[in-house]
Amino acid sequence: EPEVTQTPSHQVTQMGQEVILRCVPISNHLYFYWYRQILGQKVEFLVSFYNNEISEKSEIFDDQFSVERPDGSNFTLKIRSTKLEDSAMYFCASITTGTRNEQFFGPGTRLTVL
Amino acid sequence: AQRVTQPEKLLSVFKGAPVELKCNYSYSGSPELFWYVQYSRQRLQLLLRHISRESIKGFTADLNKGETSFHLKKPFAQEEDSAMYYCALIETDKLIFGTGTRLQVFP
Repeated sequence: EPEVTQTPSHQVTQMGQEVILRCVPISNHLYFYWYRQILGQKVEFLVSFYNNEISEKSEIFDDQFSVERPDGSNFTLKIRSTKLEDSAMYFCASITTGTRNEQFFGPGTRLTVL
Repeated sequence: AQRVTQPEKLLSVFKGAPVELKCNYSYSGSPELFWYVQYSRQRLQLLLRHISRESIKGFTADLNKGETSFHLKKPFAQEEDSAMYYCALIETDKLIFGTGTRLQVFP
């Protein structure tokens, strides 16, 4: 059964550094999402992406964040200058068609900012 | 603002006991609600959604618009049900999650 994959599983970085988190959504899916979960808190929506552009973003998704689908398979989240409070699990999700369908989640990337 | 509330962080039961994981929501309009589950070291996966009215792994959830609730129930818990359970609703195309309830089922 096809699955969403994410790399790396764990990323450690120094404050102020740029990080790129990678996701490979399920191949025939059209809508892509990033969520994050700070330890002990709820899973929060960051951004949704469709047809090569952002369709919605949260207040968390400020100018330090960007998303890209550089080719037909990868979907990336870039944090330009990481802060301590960016430490969290980052989940990628995708759905096929219809935004109210089941979202399929990746296993997550744990980002630790030192 | 739309929100989802799961009042219990932890629910512990013995195998064979009934389980009810509570979820309340606030939403203006017709909500669409889901339960996602995360087993240890695994990814979030959909357990059930209210529009399908299915029973998955013995779990059911009924949307009660009067009480704005979507509680998850199972009559007889199994050890393999131990996991984190998240209630969520759809707003436009994003999921809004509750804080989750950890279910522990003891043998």
